[in-house]
Amino acid sequence: ETGVTQTPRHLVMGMTNKKSLKCEQHLGHNAMYWYKQSAKKPLELMFVYSLEERVENNSVPSRFSPECPNSSHLFLHLHTLQPEDSALYLCASSQAPLGTEAFFGQGTRLTVV
Amino acid sequence: AQKVTQAQTEISVVEKEDVTLDCVYETRDTTYYLFWYKQPPSGELVFLIRRNSFDEQNEISGRYSWNFQKSTSSFNFTITASQVVDSAVYFCALSEAGFTGNQFYFGTGTSLTVIP
Repeated sequence: ETGVTQTPRHLVMGMTNKKSLKCEQHLGHNAMYWYKQSAKKPLELMFVYSLEERVENNSVPSRFSPECPNSSHLFLHLHTLQPEDSALYLCASSQAPLGTEAFFGQGTRLTVV
Repeated sequence: AQKVTQAQTEISVVEKEDVTLDCVYETRDTTYYLFWYKQPPSGELVFLIRRNSFDEQNEISGRYSWNFQKSTSSFNFTITASQVVDSAVYFCALSEAGFTGNQFYFGTGTSLTVIP
């Protein structure tokens, strides 16, 4: 199994739909992340779960809701999204504390229509 | 303010040429880490290298080499004798102390195209 697995790889959803992105890591890490990657912009950190604490980017709209039931699984719940939310959503994991590299999944390409 | 700047948006080179990707970072911490990642068309960011702020030794790994200079806050990446398989987007990233997890700040990436 690959280190960090994301499903689905591609998702098309309407603005009124509710969907969830899933991430699973098999590396024994204790920190997991959601990043948003839009064209021509830096990777945007959305949420971090680390050592049972959650840290979020205050600029992330409430229509994105993370869930981390355990250290190996991470979800991103989506509802009433906007077309500008279309992007590549990347999940990553690392071993806290500071200093270790993050390992990324292949991402979910989300299109909001 | 942008913590990591990759001024080169796109670079094209002919196969076998050398190419250097620039990265400039900004931090007030004395302890920090720098990274380079490669993102092929498949989308996954692949980790290439990590350096900590106390180790300014340059590193070479095969055709890859990294030049870390604290005096200029730069962490440049050179590919020697480039190959078509090197075509990808390359990201430089910074991680600072003072956070329970690792908060990574990424640059906007440099898209490298190696022409056969």
